[in-house]
Amino acid sequence: DGGITQSPKYLFRKEGQNVTLSCEQNLNHDAMYWYRQDPGQGLRLIYYSQIVNDFQKGDIAEGYSVSREKKESFPLTVTSAQKNPTAFYLCASSITWTASNTEAFFGQGTRLTVV
Amino acid sequence: AQSVTQPDIHITVSEGASLELRCNYSYGATPYLFWYVQSPGQGLQLLLKYFSGDTLVQGIKGFEAEFKRSQSSFNLRKPSVHWSDAAEYFCAVVPGGTSYGKLTFGQGTILTVHP
Repeated sequence: DGGITQSPKYLFRKEGQNVTLSCEQNLNHDAMYWYRQDPGQGLRLIYYSQIVNDFQKGDIAEGYSVSREKKESFPLTVTSAQKNPTAFYLCASSITWTASNTEAFFGQGTRLTVV
Repeated sequence: AQSVTQPDIHITVSEGASLELRCNYSYGATPYLFWYVQSPGQGLQLLLKYFSGDTLVQGIKGFEAEFKRSQSSFNLRKPSVHWSDAAEYFCAVVPGGTSYGKLTFGQGTILTVHP
């Protein structure tokens, strides 16, 4: 089945550590996205990638980094510079950046907790 | 500033009752409009979308939404709620002419269904 796979489902990080969240899609989508979800705040865009080897900062990129070396993969690194990383992280993809009649497909999320 | 507002943080209805979840946006041009549903600890699933044409849009699971340009609204409705509809619902928009994946989300409405 085609879809988006995020791993791990739960992740615990110690203060000062960098951690990387995995996102893989087999939908052959060009565009991929990372969102952060906090209770009562909806989803906020961290980074997005229109095409392989390209990515852009979203609304809350500070303390995060990404790479897009392969079309199917868009890992997110939460660095020690992110002051409040505890949140639910969602990866999404869409057919292209500007295609018509498309939609964003979401993974099942990774819950990151700082311990 | 461009924004999406869901005025109701939490709504409780009885099973079998009708439902309306409100969504208002503030964009200069008509955006593309979406409703997503999220079960606890899960990713988001698209219920329906509006790009153009008929302002009454039918979605999955018996949901519909009506776009009202004069009110800048895109309210979600269901005539008879089932216990399995209990979840969090997000309205989302994309400014017309830009990415279909770079979504701006409302804060979400949590739906509780009483038997």
